[in-house]
Amino acid sequence: DVKVTQSSRYLVKRTGEKVFLECVQDMDHENMFWYRQDPGLGLRLIYFSYDVKMKEKGDIPEGYSVSREKKERFSLILESASTNQTSMYLCASSWYRGLDGYTFGSGTRLTVV
Amino acid sequence: AQSVTQLGSHVSVSEGALVLLRCNYSSSVPPYLFWYVQYPNQGLQLLLKYTSAATLVKGINGFEAEFKKSETSFHLTKPSAHMSDAAEYFCAVSRVGGTSYGKLTFGQGTILTVHP
Repeated sequence: DVKVTQSSRYLVKRTGEKVFLECVQDMDHENMFWYRQDPGLGLRLIYFSYDVKMKEKGDIPEGYSVSREKKERFSLILESASTNQTSMYLCASSWYRGLDGYTFGSGTRLTVV
Repeated sequence: AQSVTQLGSHVSVSEGALVLLRCNYSSSVPPYLFWYVQYPNQGLQLLLKYTSAATLVKGINGFEAEFKKSETSFHLTKPSAHMSDAAEYFCAVSRVGGTSYGKLTFGQGTILTVHP
């Protein structure tokens, strides 16, 4: 079974803090993704990586950055957390062409106060 | 550009009744389509996928979906609902072209409630 592991299930951070969300997959997938999920808005793509050190902006990259130094790990960084970044964050991975679908982590619920 | 519309943000059925969750897509090329399920406080789990083989696709937990090109639809069905089917369901279409290949566009989700 492919596993995608997100380091934290729940996080509470203060406005202005730098926040790191970590994601690790164990199946040698090329692609990794970060989504945020908000009620009524579905899943929105923040960033995407298709190889080590390669990244591409998704639909809502503002206020976020990412890092992929190793194939199995994809980090999402909130440079200066704001209350409007309170959300559920989902990491996913897939083979390069993604045609088998994604494998998702369990999610990190982030609250910024 | 690809897009997905899920008709109905909430669907409620009785246990044992037919489940029908609607999904329409927009795509300029033959799409790859997926249904995912999300149980409370969990990530998304793949239910089934359409990748241009058979138009009727069977998935896990007794769900199936039919690809209808003429209607640009990919509705999810289950003949008899079970209480454990209560969850949120997402339809997704695979983007194509350039480095978009492999990225999915998700619908807004449909919350399924099953009552006794």
